[in-house]
Amino acid sequence: RKEVEQDPGPFNVPEGATVAFNCTYSNSASQSFFWYRQDCRKEPKLLMSVYSSGNEDGRFTAQLNRASQYISLLIRDSKLSDSATYLCVVGTASKLTFGTGTRLQVTL
Amino acid sequence: DAGVIQSPRHEVTEMGQEVTLRCKPISGHDYLFWYRQTMMRGLELLIYFNNNVPIDDSGMPEDRFSAKMPNASFSTLKIQPSEPRDSAVYFCASSETGLYYNEQFFGPGTRLTVL
Repeated sequence: RKEVEQDPGPFNVPEGATVAFNCTYSNSASQSFFWYRQDCRKEPKLLMSVYSSGNEDGRFTAQLNRASQYISLLIRDSKLSDSATYLCVVGTASKLTFGTGTRLQVTL
Repeated sequence: DAGVIQSPRHEVTEMGQEVTLRCKPISGHDYLFWYRQTMMRGLELLIYFNNNVPIDDSGMPEDRFSAKMPNASFSTLKIQPSEPRDSAVYFCASSETGLYYNEQFFGPGTRLTVL
């Protein structure tokens, strides 16, 4: 079983739609959680950290469920510019582990 | 700030050749990371440094890979000899403090093709 698992997609959604991604992790000792965004042929960039209480940044909402060991990312009112690969990242005391990403394609 | 700088951006070489990838982290960042990204395996941490000292190299695939950080503003990742399975995008990243709770800033990557 992979340490961090994501549905690779692609998720094809129309502009304005709401889309949600889930990510599961296997190490119960994980301490930190992030979502990174990676555009095609570009480097990953931090989208948002994920806190135990959940957090929101504009149209983006991240949730953490420690009991079930999964993280979610909700994107409301999708824009064409949201098209990218979203990487789930989980950290322990010794390392960060990146998921292989979920690809989102927002269409007109 | 110029961000993390990597060179070359693209490298095409033949099997058996030595490849050297270079990275300049963001000034003032104490941590430097080398990653490899492939379609099959995603982004994998190869090695990271703290204040120029290698801390964890458990992700380095084998002895053909080596990394150095002679000073706070420069690091290299060397593959000798290179093999076709080394073809991937290699990213360098840096962060101010901490491995797991701070944002990592990635360079643009080096796209390596070994023929």
